[in-house]
Amino acid sequence: QKEVEQNSGPLSVPEGAIASLNCTYSDRGSQSFFWYRQYSGKSPELIMSIYSNGDKEDGRFTAQLNKASQYVSLLIRDSQPSDSATYLCAGGSRSGAGSYQLTFGKGTKLSVIP
Amino acid sequence: EAGVAQSPRYKIIEKRQSVAFWCNPISGHATLYWYQQILGQGPKLLIQFQNNGVVDDSQLPKDRFSAERLKGVDSTLKIQPAKLEDSAVYLCASSLIFGGSYGYTFGSGTRLTVV
Repeated sequence: QKEVEQNSGPLSVPEGAIASLNCTYSDRGSQSFFWYRQYSGKSPELIMSIYSNGDKEDGRFTAQLNKASQYVSLLIRDSQPSDSATYLCAGGSRSGAGSYQLTFGKGTKLSVIP
Repeated sequence: EAGVAQSPRYKIIEKRQSVAFWCNPISGHATLYWYQQILGQGPKLLIQFQNNGVVDDSQLPKDRFSAERLKGVDSTLKIQPAKLEDSAVYLCASSLIFGGSYGYTFGSGTRLTVV
């Protein structure tokens, strides 16, 4: 059973601080990882993808991947109130039929306090 | 590029009734997914299509759920009869490349409430 684990939070950070979101996964066959942001009542929106060990930066967002530890994280620098949302971690892997699928964690709710 | 279209946005039905949801993927996207997201949880895959064929329906409750993708474009997900625990948001997603390691784009979802 492929599992992606996240701390459900809520995680509260002051405006301007760094928010750190973490995720672990059970399937060593997972090759790609994604962070989705989901505002209340809205559908998930892809914000970051990472495929190799190390860091990947995009604006205020940095994704980190450590395949040996089966650990993925997302750092949000200079957090803004508009970053308040639930962040979903997803791992991509192939099913038995060879198809590619994403398995999602339950999400971490982030609140940025002005 | 137009996104993934879903309808209706909201639906309220009584238990034991039937309901259907519709999805039109991004033009040219061969792979289509239906996910169920219960409040407070992450999306869970129900069924995956490649063109008009089912690739994976291992987590679809087949005694009450069915889905089709005739002509390999739009898709319909049906629940008959509905149970209270089917209350959730039903998300459709599509991706361009089968087997490719890409994140995919979700539609706006259909929020189902079963009373």
